[in-house]
Amino acid sequence: EVQLVESGGGLVQPGGSLRLSCAASGFTFSTYSLNWVRQAPGKGLEWVSYISSSSSIIYYADSVKGRFTISRDNAKNSLYLQMNSLRDEDTAVYYCARDSQFDRGVYYYYGLDVWGQGTTVTVSS
Amino acid sequence: DIQMTQSPSSLSASVGDRVTITCRASQGINNYLAWFQQKPGKAPKSLIYAASSLQSGVPSKFSGSGSGTDFTLTISSLQPEDFATYYCQQYNTYPITFGQGTRLEIK
Repeated sequence: EVQLVESGGGLVQPGGSLRLSCAASGFTFSTYSLNWVRQAPGKGLEWVSYISSSSSIIYYADSVKGRFTISRDNAKNSLYLQMNSLRDEDTAVYYCARDSQFDRGVYYYYGLDVWGQGTTVTVSS
Repeated sequence: DIQMTQSPSSLSASVGDRVTITCRASQGINNYLAWFQQKPGKAPKSLIYAASSLQSGVPSKFSGSGSGTDFTLTISSLQPEDFATYYCQQYNTYPITFGQGTRLEIK
């Protein structure tokens, strides 16, 4: 079964740090790009960051640039989000989502087709 | 950034109805448009990508159309499990952006 499972959320004080993880299974992780998407309580979806399959291309939303760092370990089938200098407005459910596949020189895109169940980050004093 | 505007923001309909949700981009995005369904407390579920391509396993009662700046999601013969919030999303340009959502409620 194709699956993404997030972990690492919790309660943190403003200015603190947290590292989220996303464990993948059921597909060839190293060939897929991935994203982090968040949703504040009662609000809509907000894209946070993107990383290509080889980590050569990385993008961030302006709201997190300079504070968050996305990374991946293809040997461990894992995606990460290091969050520093956390603010109240970073409070949200954080989802990892699968993106395009680049395999043997061919690019495939089926949208953000697989999502994890989410992990909750609460920034509060 | 490309702004995505959905209309309506909320919609009441009855079981068996056919409904249409509209999504407008602030600039042309070709057909790089996706639709998601989200139920309370759950992760979003991908319905459609490339404006009109149905995600594997999604019933054909869901259909998408459009190109450029104007797109629609149509759901035919509404069933109780279809009442949820729907989001459009553009992936033509980073940052990826989502519409504000359309809440579909039972009348």
